[in-house]
Amino acid sequence: SAVISQKPSRDICQRGTSLTIQCQVDSQVTMMFWYRQQPGQSLTLIATANQGSEATYESGFVIDKFPISRPNLTFSTLTVSNMSPEDSSIYLCSASADTQYFGPGTRLTVL
Amino acid sequence: GQNIDQPTEMTATEGAIVQINCTYQTSGFNGLFWYQQHAGEAPTFLSYNVLDGLEEKGRFSSFLSRSKGYSYLLLKELQMKDSASYLCAVPSMNSGYSTLTFGKGTMLLVSP
Repeated sequence: SAVISQKPSRDICQRGTSLTIQCQVDSQVTMMFWYRQQPGQSLTLIATANQGSEATYESGFVIDKFPISRPNLTFSTLTVSNMSPEDSSIYLCSASADTQYFGPGTRLTVL
Repeated sequence: GQNIDQPTEMTATEGAIVQINCTYQTSGFNGLFWYQQHAGEAPTFLSYNVLDGLEEKGRFSSFLSRSKGYSYLLLKELQMKDSASYLCAVPSMNSGYSTLTFGKGTMLLVSP
């Protein structure tokens, strides 16, 4: 199994600013992912965070808006850049071990 | 592409049995997951089916029919704490089955 923590757990940000979310896994994992869950909706995959190379983004998500780092096998960051109210959402980190586990999420509100 | 359908919400009473259905259309298939998500919390893994049939795990069971593109999650002896969203998900062939595509989730409300 894998235990995943995220920081911050929540934040309220101003339009036009950026926020970096950190994700820490308690064991080395090959695959880490970032999802978004908008209010009342299900999870949408943003990107796969690749260790040692650029992240793989899903359709509709771009690196300039959501830059991702993956410096090692236990840690990743997601930055939400130049935020607008439409970015208000829960951002979830996920990792694959024997199955796919999720962090507690970061609840972002953009004013 | 992939399409996953599940009912938006269901209601049931404590002690009852409820079945949450999920139908899917996928390019390639490598199993189906069920997750439980309480409000404000992370999804937690419930089950993974890759072969046809019923798999039982305590009060929760999950069924898969690959030929019909159909799965269900069966919850027995419902408890108030089972009120949550239940998410059906399938691995995406485009990513070599490493990423998940989720349905919109079924919100289950258990009443006394």
